[in-house]
Amino acid sequence: DTEVTQTPKHLVMGMTNKKSLKCEQHMGHRAMYWYKQKAKKPPELMFVYSYEKLSINESVPSRFSPECPNSSLLNLHLHALQPEDSALYLCASSQVKASGAYEQYFGPGTRLTVT
Amino acid sequence: LAKTTQPISMDSYEGQEVNITCSHNNIATNDYITWYQQFPSQGPRFIIQGYKTKVTNEVASLFIPADRKSSTLSLPRVSLSDTAVYYCLVGPRMDSSYKLIFGSGTRLLVRP
Repeated sequence: DTEVTQTPKHLVMGMTNKKSLKCEQHMGHRAMYWYKQKAKKPPELMFVYSYEKLSINESVPSRFSPECPNSSLLNLHLHALQPEDSALYLCASSQVKASGAYEQYFGPGTRLTVT
Repeated sequence: LAKTTQPISMDSYEGQEVNITCSHNNIATNDYITWYQQFPSQGPRFIIQGYKTKVTNEVASLFIPADRKSSTLSLPRVSLSDTAVYYCLVGPRMDSSYKLIFGSGTRLLVRP
């Protein structure tokens, strides 16, 4: 299984709502990531978890709250978002390959629309 | 982190070899060079990674000169399905994870 799954695929939420994005991998990877991608722009790193501990927070607003309950699961809790937060949210996990290369596996993303 | 510069777009035809060059003048000693491919509304997909000289896998080759200030992704005999955005990234390893900053990418269009 070389797949990162993300749910939901699409999400529409109001600015006062609370919602969560879910990401799951069963590849035994110990690093997991959240990215945000606006249309026709490159992905922007938001958070990195290493061994279930937050290791990088790229100065993301507190209305985005990550959580890593276990080594296979990564959540992104959303609260009081703004319309400009509408984007594709990508989850990824990574491992060291036999060749020594680091490879990130990305999920298909959750398309978020904030109204 | 090292900043990367790539051509905004490239055109090619089916069956041709495509070379995309990336400039990373400020690459650090412990940075690795990685290339990803992304189709619309999908997550990026790892293509290849290298540190120096040449790396080859089943889909591409990566050429890195001795000074490591640039790198070239080579896609042999492209097909229509290779139309995508290609990102060059440089970054260090950190324990089990690594910090990747995506550049603006190169939009490759493969024509029949």
